[in-house]
Amino acid sequence: GNSVTQMEGPVTLSEEAFLTINCTYTATGYPSLFWYVQYPGEGLQLLLKATKADDKGSNKGFEATYRKETTSFHLEKGSVQVSDSAVYFCALIKAAGNKLTFGGGTRVLVKP
Amino acid sequence: DTAVSQTPKYLVTQMGNDKSIKCEQNLGHDTMYWYKQDSKKFLKIMFSYNNKELIINETVPNRFSPKSPDKAHLNLHINSLELGDSAVYFCASSLGVAGELFFGEGSRLTVL
Repeated sequence: GNSVTQMEGPVTLSEEAFLTINCTYTATGYPSLFWYVQYPGEGLQLLLKATKADDKGSNKGFEATYRKETTSFHLEKGSVQVSDSAVYFCALIKAAGNKLTFGGGTRVLVKP
Repeated sequence: DTAVSQTPKYLVTQMGNDKSIKCEQNLGHDTMYWYKQDSKKFLKIMFSYNNKELIINETVPNRFSPKSPDKAHLNLHINSLELGDSAVYFCASSLGVAGELFFGEGSRLTVL
């Protein structure tokens, strides 16, 4: 079956540090890949997505590139802010699929 | 206007009781979901409805019964609540079965 593996948190950083959250997946075919973010006390919001190999998704300074050869979709941001403190979820959905499969989430804490 | 709204936001109840959580979306989406998020933030899909038809029914105890009276509503009824049912339950909706998910803010259920 499909699965998504993320690095476990929490990840604690200082403001303006570089952030990487690793995500790898297992799926047949060519899934679409997503990063969702959950701010404290809120529901999940789509952060970015990529639908085919070598696509780069980007939003709010975050980027992730769909790497089929390494089955990865690592999330990066060059300079984090305190407001980026949240839980980040990597997810996939198979082409013509109907179920979004989430990774376990990575909590990020950015300190001033 | 809240796109996906759930009620109640917090629910504290005793073991053995029956409770319901309601969800409504005003996005014109045709697919709705219930996800369960445990204390470690792990997200697991429970049910999905497309045009009021059940399309995903994961391995969930039959004490959980979803009901979709129309495309804009998906309610979750839970019978004979158990301690392990304590979690945050998220409703979500999408346009089509593989579209971007929009989440509600969650309903935190605590079973004592």
